Amino acid sequence: GENVEQHPSTLSVQEGDSAVIKCTYSDSASNYFPWYKQELGKRPQLIIDIRSNVGEKKDQRIAVTLNKTAKHFSLHITETQPEDSAVYFCAASMNNAGNMLTFGGGTRLMVKP
Amino acid sequence: DTEVTQTPKHLVMGMTNKKSLKCEQHMGHRAMYWYKQKAKKPPELMFVYSYEKLSINESVPSRFSPECPNSSLLNLHLHALQPEDSALYLCASSQDGSGVGYQPQHFGDGTRLSIL
Repeated sequence: GENVEQHPSTLSVQEGDSAVIKCTYSDSASNYFPWYKQELGKRPQLIIDIRSNVGEKKDQRIAVTLNKTAKHFSLHITETQPEDSAVYFCAASMNNAGNMLTFGGGTRLMVKP
Repeated sequence: DTEVTQTPKHLVMGMTNKKSLKCEQHMGHRAMYWYKQKAKKPPELMFVYSYEKLSINESVPSRFSPECPNSSLLNLHLHALQPEDSALYLCASSQDGSGVGYQPQHFGDGTRLSIL
């Protein structure tokens, strides 16, 4: 089955700095890669996703890049704000597998004011 | 906005009790999911329903029994749970579970379950 590794497990940045979270996946058949943000005690919230036919996608301060050859994808947050503090999960799925998501272990992002 | 509603928000039960978790969505989604999330861990898939039929059971113990009465509702019946079953139980939904197209999953706030 699919295996998703996520690094780092914790990340502390100063407000205004950029944050980068990296994930690798094992199954080359995976073709959909969402990122979820989970604040303490709240639901995982989809913040951005990317399909395997796209190399990069941006949404305001958030961007995701995908390298299919190397089987890794990354989340980039620019101009971080204290409200970006949360746990971020990457995930991978194959769209011909009943939408089974395999999650990475999570990254706790702390943005210091 | 997308919304998946779960009740109750908190549940404390003994190991001999029987209880049910409920999940509801009104987005017209035809795939619904149950996940289990332990503290500081990612969600782990338990069950997938597609068009009201169970399509995936990730080797979940029989003390967890899912039910999908209609396309908007998903239940998880609990019986004879163990202390290690204490966790956050998340429901999610997506357009459908056919595997066609890329279908974001939208999560509810979860039920925090404690087994005494």
